[in-house]
Amino acid sequence: NAGVTQTPKFQVLKTGQSMTLQCAQDMNHEYMSWYRQDPGMGLRLIHYSVGAGITDQGEVPNGYNVSRSTTEDFPLRLLSAAPSQTSVYFCASSYSWGNTEAFFGQGTRLTVV
Amino acid sequence: EDQVTQSPEALRLQEGESSSLNCSYTVSGLRGLFWYRQDPGKGPEFLFTLYSAGEEKEKERLKATLTKKESFLHITAPKPEDSATYLCGGNLIFGKGTKLSVKP
Repeated sequence: NAGVTQTPKFQVLKTGQSMTLQCAQDMNHEYMSWYRQDPGMGLRLIHYSVGAGITDQGEVPNGYNVSRSTTEDFPLRLLSAAPSQTSVYFCASSYSWGNTEAFFGQGTRLTVV
Repeated sequence: EDQVTQSPEALRLQEGESSSLNCSYTVSGLRGLFWYRQDPGKGPEFLFTLYSAGEEKEKERLKATLTKKESFLHITAPKPEDSATYLCGGNLIFGKGTKLSVKP
């Protein structure tokens, strides 16, 4: 099994550009989430989903959109990139709600200049 | 407000020197208190979930324990390969982590 796959691994954007971070899992997990990780701030929840068609906001949702049209995919869209969105982004999936045994992707390192 | 606090922020040990990491939590409707290990440049890797006070789980040199307010990750006779950042949390919330360095 591939687990959780994130693409791209690295990305540089200019301020104001938009892009989509891809996340796919092959474990048939209902629960998926997006986090950003910044030095000294730990992992902060951006958005999460409890199943296809159902999403909700986390701690830091501003500037990001998500959708969940299939069980496998949970893309994260940056609408108009800002330098404050420079971070490492992780996608996670789990069979139950609450990260009790979540699988994380390898991360996307995003730099906004 | 839900909160998870980990201490210390960083811990340096000599190989074989046992110690403990602390995780204090206030999480409403806690489904389970979890611990993850994160190596540099990688995503977190699941270690344990504890569900009730008094529960303990072990994996190699690691043992996690849980009370109603805290969890501890005990590391017995650590080796350099145990060096990593250890994250704890509850529900969808993570603490900021403890960076462990084990010197040979």
